[in-house]
Amino acid sequence: SYVLTQPPSVSVAPGQTARITCGGNNIGSKSVHWYQQKPGQAPVLVVYDDSDRPSGIPERFSGSNSGNTATLTISRVEAGDEADYYCQVWDSSSDHHVFGTGTKVTVL
Amino acid sequence: QITLKESGPTLVKPTQTLTLTCTFSGFSLSTSGVGVGWIRQPPGKALEWLALIYWDDDKRYSPSLKSRLTITKDTSKNQVVLTMTNMDPVDTATYYCAHEGTRYYFDYWGQGTLVTVSS
Repeated sequence: SYVLTQPPSVSVAPGQTARITCGGNNIGSKSVHWYQQKPGQAPVLVVYDDSDRPSGIPERFSGSNSGNTATLTISRVEAGDEADYYCQVWDSSSDHHVFGTGTKVTVL
Repeated sequence: QITLKESGPTLVKPTQTLTLTCTFSGFSLSTSGVGVGWIRQPPGKALEWLALIYWDDDKRYSPSLKSRLTITKDTSKNQVVLTMTNMDPVDTATYYCAHEGTRYYFDYWGQGTLVTVSS
């Protein structure tokens, strides 16, 4: 089955840029979606279709996808961005959703 | 606005069957392209997709859990029900239901319900 691999953790200073990767075989051919999950809360969609943002999500959140890696970029990181982040795709070859392993973003 | 809420037992015994209900508002599961999915998250672990049901009653299941899962809908009640058989302590998790629009992502989530499997 399709596997999405993320780094377990990313640390970033306030005001800097955080980049969270999501690796998968030829992931560039799929649409990638990203979720933010704060402790004790349900996930929130922050990027869909590789690089689009739902209404209400700051422009600081952006995404890209090419080859075997998709990336969520958080610019001008704030303390409130500290959370777990998950990538997700629809695997059309087997008709099911796949979530990544998750990345904990720590703001120093 | 779209809201979803999970309900069901908080504690089940090993080998029992779990039945969870997702009650939603703000959309209809008879609208073309719409789906409702179930996702779970063991304590301290990653999200895991379980099942999905579409407006036309098409269903999809996680390959690893397919033999244990059944998803159904009651459009008139705005509810989706997930059953999972033969529960085990490793199935202890927060179970979420979520709305899927037409583009294969979950844009609205319920608050989740913690299910503990223990004798």
